[in-house]
Amino acid sequence: GAVVSQHPSRVICKSGTSVKIECRSLDFQATTMFWYRQFPKQSLMLMATSNEGSKATYEQGVEKDKFLINHASLTLSTLTVTSAHPEDSSFYICSARDGTGGFSPLHFGNGTRLTVT
Amino acid sequence: KQEVTQIPAALSVPEGENLVLNCSFTDSAIYNLQWFRQDPGKGLTSLLLIQSSQREQTSGRLNASLDKSSGRSTLYIAASQPGDSATYLCAVRFISGGYNKLIFGAGTRLAVHP
Repeated sequence: GAVVSQHPSRVICKSGTSVKIECRSLDFQATTMFWYRQFPKQSLMLMATSNEGSKATYEQGVEKDKFLINHASLTLSTLTVTSAHPEDSSFYICSARDGTGGFSPLHFGNGTRLTVT
Repeated sequence: KQEVTQIPAALSVPEGENLVLNCSFTDSAIYNLQWFRQDPGKGLTSLLLIQSSQREQTSGRLNASLDKSSGRSTLYIAASQPGDSATYLCAVRFISGGYNKLIFGAGTRLAVHP
């Protein structure tokens, strides 16, 4: 079955530094990937839609200059949290669409636990 | 605004019980609806995907139904086991905005005790 690999699974960084999270589709090409954030005991909130070869589309309230998204190839999207602050500590999950169109399934990575000290 | 609501927020049952988790959504123009399982601190495992043209999907002890016109879906778990303890998330793919995205409910935290 389709697999999405997310790396790293856990990262601890100091306030003010930047952290990059990678999301790879291992056995399919993904023209569209999605980045979600989940705070403790809350559901997943969509942050942005990453489109291969074009700019990402950000949801309302998400700072595009803080959360940089690069979808450089059909199998890789990266999320960089710039100048991280403790309030950015959260669980970040990516997903990738296997195929095109609204009926194609989404597959999720295992998430990245970010802790900013 | 497109919203997905799950009831109950938490559920604790003894092993062996059959149970129903509920999901409702505000816009009937959807591509599909998906049920996921999430274990603490982990990613998501897809359980069932129901396309908008379908009424239900079954996988083992799990059965999910979809009533698009009323904006409701249920996840039925038969003969629950302690290993079923997890958070169950309902997510809807709405048709709107020029691109489609998955909107999640807040989840139902299930605890099955021996």
